[in-house]
Formats: sequence, C-alpha cells, structure tokens
Amino acid sequence: NAGVTQTPKFRVLKTGQSMTLLCAQDMNHEYMYWYRQDPGMGLRLIHYSVGEGTTAKGEVPDGYNVSRLKKQNFLLGLESAAPSQTSVYFCASSLYFQGVHLGTEAFFGQGTRLTVV
Amino acid sequence: SQQGEEDPQALSIQEGENATMNCSYKTSINNLQWYRQNSGRGLVHLILIRSNEREKHSGRLRVTLDTSKKSSSLLITASRAADTASYFCAKDQTGANNLFFGTGTRLTVIP
Repeated sequence: NAGVTQTPKFRVLKTGQSMTLLCAQDMNHEYMYWYRQDPGMGLRLIHYSVGEGTTAKGEVPDGYNVSRLKKQNFLLGLESAAPSQTSVYFCASSLYFQGVHLGTEAFFGQGTRLTVV
Repeated sequence: SQQGEEDPQALSIQEGENATMNCSYKTSINNLQWYRQNSGRGLVHLILIRSNEREKHSGRLRVTLDTSKKSSSLLITASRAADTASYFCAKDQTGANNLFFGTGTRLTVIP
C-alpha cells in the first residue's frame, strides 16, 4: 500500500497563477484533510471532507477550494496564488466511524512545498 | 486559540535522558493523539489516548491525560539521537470532524 500520496512535491508559482494539488489515498478512508504548515504556526486546517462528494471549511479556507469527486482523491486548488500562500501543504486521511466518536489516527502524505513569488 | 499550546517549544537533551513534552487544550475531546515529524517529512502517528484513559504506553513512549486540567504529556524514555524530531499533539474535539494540532515541540537529542 502506498498510503497517502501527494503530487507535486515542490512547486514555484508566480503571483496570480493557479494550480491544483492532488492527494490520493489507497486505504479506503472516509475522512481527508488539507493542512498548511508555517514556521511557528503548527498545522492549520484548510479544508476537509467527511466522505465522497462532501467538503467543509477548516480554520484557514480563504483563497483555497477543494473537491472530493472520488473517495480516494482530495484536490486542493489555488485559483490566484498569493505570496501569503507560500507554505508546506500536507494532506491526511483517517478512518472515522460515523456517529461513533472513537476516532483513529491520521495518515499523512510527505508534503508539497509551495513557493509563490 | 482553540488548538491549545505545547511546551516547551524546544528541548535539547543528552542521549539516554528522558524527554517530557506537554500539551494543553481548551475544549472537550474524544481523544488526543501525538505525532512525530522528522525534518522535511510528513507527520507520523505515535500514540492515541482516549478521553476515558489516563495513561498509555507504547515502547519507550508514555502518554498521560488529565481531562480535569485539559492537559496531556508525552514522555520519551532513554532517548536516542534518532528521536530528534518535532512532536505534535492533536486534539480530536467533541463535535468536530477533524484534528486540531498544536505548534509542536522541537526535540534535539545530543549523542
């Protein structure tokens, strides 16, 4: 099993350009997340999905859009990149039992380092 | 912030010593999880403790949870140079559908 795979691993964008980050998981997980990690800020949740066809906003959703057309894929889009979006982006997935608040561990991808100039 | 805080922000110890990291939170939780991140890599799950548990062990790791104080601690015993990494606590908050991470503790173990 590959686990959680993110593409690309590195990208440099010019201000105003758009791009899509792809996250794929092969563990049949219901929940998927996009986080950004900035120095001294820890991980902050951008958007998440609790199942195929669903998305929801996290703590810092502005400037980003997401889609979960297939259960195994979660896409993060930047429509018009800004320097403030320079960050390391992590995708994660978890198996969560609906209605039963047990919770399980999250599996993370290796990250995408994005620089907006 | 609703994520709570971890302390210390950075910790440097000699190999063989124990390392203790603390995590506080503000709202009720289903469980609390600890993750490790090596430089330039993704996060890896270490251990999960549920809200009705007080202590949990996994190898050289010991986690405690005090829900009355809304705090948790991670103890790494007999540290090794390979334990050098950042450690994050993540709160699975009641009523939420995601994990809230703290800012992490940067642990350096000196050989």
